[in-house]
Amino acid sequence: AQSVTQPDIHITVSEGASLELRCNYSYGATPYLFWYVQSPGQGLQLLLKYFSGDTLVQGIKGFEAEFKRSQSSFNLRKPSVHWSDAAEYFCAVVKAAGNKLTFGGGTRVLVKP
Amino acid sequence: GAGVSQTPSNKVTEKGKYVELRCDPISGHTALYWYRQSLGQGPEFLIYFQGTGAADDSGLPNDRFFAVRPEGSVSTLKIQRTERGDSAVYLCASSFSREYEQYFGPGTRLTVT
Repeated sequence: AQSVTQPDIHITVSEGASLELRCNYSYGATPYLFWYVQSPGQGLQLLLKYFSGDTLVQGIKGFEAEFKRSQSSFNLRKPSVHWSDAAEYFCAVVKAAGNKLTFGGGTRVLVKP
Repeated sequence: GAGVSQTPSNKVTEKGKYVELRCDPISGHTALYWYRQSLGQGPEFLIYFQGTGAADDSGLPNDRFFAVRPEGSVSTLKIQRTERGDSAVYLCASSFSREYEQYFGPGTRLTVT
């Protein structure tokens, strides 16, 4: 069965500093990978996705993620965080179209002024 | 265009009661998913519809949970004899059947007292 691990439950970062959120997956083949963001009281918004090709993918809101097959990782980065980036971030995998997403436990990001 | 909508946004019910949660997917999306998100955790898959039929209901925790999608559009998640452990946010998502991206609604927060 596939699984997703987000090792960091909470991360606190200063506004303007860089951010990196870790995601590791366990799956027999290369899955399709996603990062979602959930602001308080909001639904899940897709930040970016990786299906194939270039292992560095760009998303919305200035986020990017890098797929590393050798490390089974798909880490999310942002060079300079804004106070509005405070939210919970979820990494997810799906093995094929029309299949369920398997989510990690999430990382809550707090932004200090 | 209109996104996925869910009603009600909040539902408080007493232990043992029956509840129905509604999901209205994005127009034209043939795939519809239900997930449950407990406090401090990532969403967990419940059931997936392709058209009117349940293609995968492996995530339903027990036979108190049931979902329908009679006309291939709106779906209703039904929970009988609610228990306090059913308290969670219930998320609905939809997609085109051959696409990997799932678009989420804002969720219904269910509280069982």
